[in-house]
Amino acid sequence: NAGVMQNPRHLVRRRGQEARLRCSPMKGHSHVYWYRQLPEEGLKFMVYLQKENIIDESGMPKERFSAEFPKEGPSILRIQQVVRGDSAAYFCASSPGQTRVTDTQYFGPGTRLTVL
Amino acid sequence: AQSVTQPDIHITVSEGASLELRCNYSYGATPYLFWYVQSPGQGLQLLLKYFSGDTLVQGIKGFEAEFKRSQSSFNLRKPSVHWSDAAEYFCAVGHQTGANNLFFGTGTRLTVIP
Repeated sequence: NAGVMQNPRHLVRRRGQEARLRCSPMKGHSHVYWYRQLPEEGLKFMVYLQKENIIDESGMPKERFSAEFPKEGPSILRIQQVVRGDSAAYFCASSPGQTRVTDTQYFGPGTRLTVL
Repeated sequence: AQSVTQPDIHITVSEGASLELRCNYSYGATPYLFWYVQSPGQGLQLLLKYFSGDTLVQGIKGFEAEFKRSQSSFNLRKPSVHWSDAAEYFCAVGHQTGANNLFFGTGTRLTVIP
């Protein structure tokens, strides 16, 4: 049973370019979460999605960041016009969503974004 | 507001010694509590979790954690550390009300010396 998959594992962008990060949840999981980890810090929640719905985006920066989880295909975290401060590791997690109160999140290996 | 404190940024222990990593949380109700481990350049692996019931929770790799409501703590322990346990350890708290985002501590880096 494959775990959560993220690609690319490493991504280098120049300032002003766009970054697209992909996350394929575990088989049977319908809930996806994105977290950001800055150097020497813990993970910070960004957004929680179910298929075709954004449930909670309270951790997303107001500008340049967007996320989607289409009916078919992986979840995408999109960062437009990247700046150096966006350099971080971005982790995706998925959960079955069977019962909200006891859902456990399983994490992917992360995408390490470097903005030059 | 929810918060998680891991007071020890870095801990060094000798292989075979016992280990305790501290975690304190701030939450208005009974929280869901988790410990994750992150090896260098890797994602997070779930070690154990507490939802309810027995306050002493057993996890993978010989780890256990004890929920102490009176101290708002959820410390991680292992009786005998192996060199392969060297990693970053994160404590996290989740809601019981149904919201699903986790709040993470800043992590404790464990170094194991021979």
